[in-house]
Amino acid sequence: SAVISQKPSRDICQRGTSLTIQCQVDSQVTMMFWYRQQPGQSLTLIATANQGSEATYESGFVIDKFPISRPNLTFSTLTVSNMSPEDSSIYLCSIGGDTEAFFGQGTRLTVV
Amino acid sequence: QKEVEQDPGPLSVPEGAIVSLNCTYSNSAFQYFMWYRQYSRKGPELLMYTYSSGNKEDGRFTAQVDKSSKYISLFIRDSQPSDSATYLCAMIQGGSEKLVFGKGTKLTVNP
Repeated sequence: SAVISQKPSRDICQRGTSLTIQCQVDSQVTMMFWYRQQPGQSLTLIATANQGSEATYESGFVIDKFPISRPNLTFSTLTVSNMSPEDSSIYLCSIGGDTEAFFGQGTRLTVV
Repeated sequence: QKEVEQDPGPLSVPEGAIVSLNCTYSNSAFQYFMWYRQYSRKGPELLMYTYSSGNKEDGRFTAQVDKSSKYISLFIRDSQPSDSATYLCAMIQGGSEKLVFGKGTKLTVNP
């Protein structure tokens, strides 16, 4: 199984600011996935990030709000922009997609 | 109707009990069915996956899929306090990379 390191593990941010979450994998992977886990809600896919191309966003998520970078095959970042309290959630990166998805430990974000 | 429905609980049982966790779904194209376990402040980890209908057993855990009823279950035998976690069901269509998750059921096993 892969080791996925996510930073920061938690943060408290002021509304209107932005936070960049980093995800580092110990092996090269083609696709990386970013999820949001809101309290009491399903884990929801935000976008899929392929190295060397624009991320593909799911319905309800836009690049201006959640810009993603994928500079190489082991690293990705997700930025939560112009934050509001509604963005308070756990954000997780993942690899593998299909039946053997692996997740980072998540970033617990609180917007005040 | 949500694609995947899962009772969020919480569910509290005594040690040694048999636990039954369930999900229903609406998309008949789902072919792979997974159960993830998520401890507090950790990411989900894959417990088991099954393809199509039938049962799959792994130690104290049994996953069951009934595609005709669009219903999946996870049974935990002889539950232990270390099983206390949130259990998420997830599903995926064949050829897709997109997992669809239930809300998760929070389980507490009391010693």
